[in-house]
Amino acid sequence: AQSVAQPEDQVNVAEGNPLTVKCTYSVSGNPYLFWYVQYPNRGLQFLLKYITGDNLVKGSYGFEAEFNKSQTSFHLKKPSALVSDSALYFCAVRDGQAGTALIFGKGTTLSVSS
Amino acid sequence: DSGVTQTPKHLITATGQRVTLRCSPRSGDLSVYWYQQSLDQGLQFLIHYYNGEERAKGNILERFSAQQFPDLHSELNLSSLELGDSALYFCASSVGLAGEGGELFFGEGSRLTVL
Repeated sequence: AQSVAQPEDQVNVAEGNPLTVKCTYSVSGNPYLFWYVQYPNRGLQFLLKYITGDNLVKGSYGFEAEFNKSQTSFHLKKPSALVSDSALYFCAVRDGQAGTALIFGKGTTLSVSS
Repeated sequence: DSGVTQTPKHLITATGQRVTLRCSPRSGDLSVYWYQQSLDQGLQFLIHYYNGEERAKGNILERFSAQQFPDLHSELNLSSLELGDSALYFCASSVGLAGEGGELFFGEGSRLTVL
């Protein structure tokens, strides 16, 4: 069975500082990995994905994520955080071979202070 | 705007009742997924339909059912409602099947409150 772990319920950073939101996954086949962001009372918005190829993936709003197969991780990063980045972030995984549904982690609340 | 439309946005009902949530996917998307978001369970996958056929089931209760119609819109039916069914229900759509690399596009959700 596939699963996703986001070990931190909340991450606090100061504006202008780099941020990292952690994600580890477990699938039996090839992982398709995704990051989504949710603002209050809104649906989830797609940020970026890793399917194959370069391990460093760039996405929307200056976010990027690095796929690390040996550590089964897909951490979300941004070089310089903005107050407007404050939101709930979800990591998700799908088993590319089995064609299973997208399974989400519990989510990490990012709080960026000014 | 993701292009996925969900109605109603808010719904308040009583225990034991039945409700129907509706989802219109993005134009051209054949897959529809339903998810339930609650504070204690997080975002749980319920069910996936592709071009009218059920393709995968997740943690969907027997009191819940769904279908996808020929025009590709989908409905999620929740019956014999309990207090614990109060949650935000999301619909998402994608072009193809789950085995492909396409991302899901989410609607704004339907917030169900069971009193």
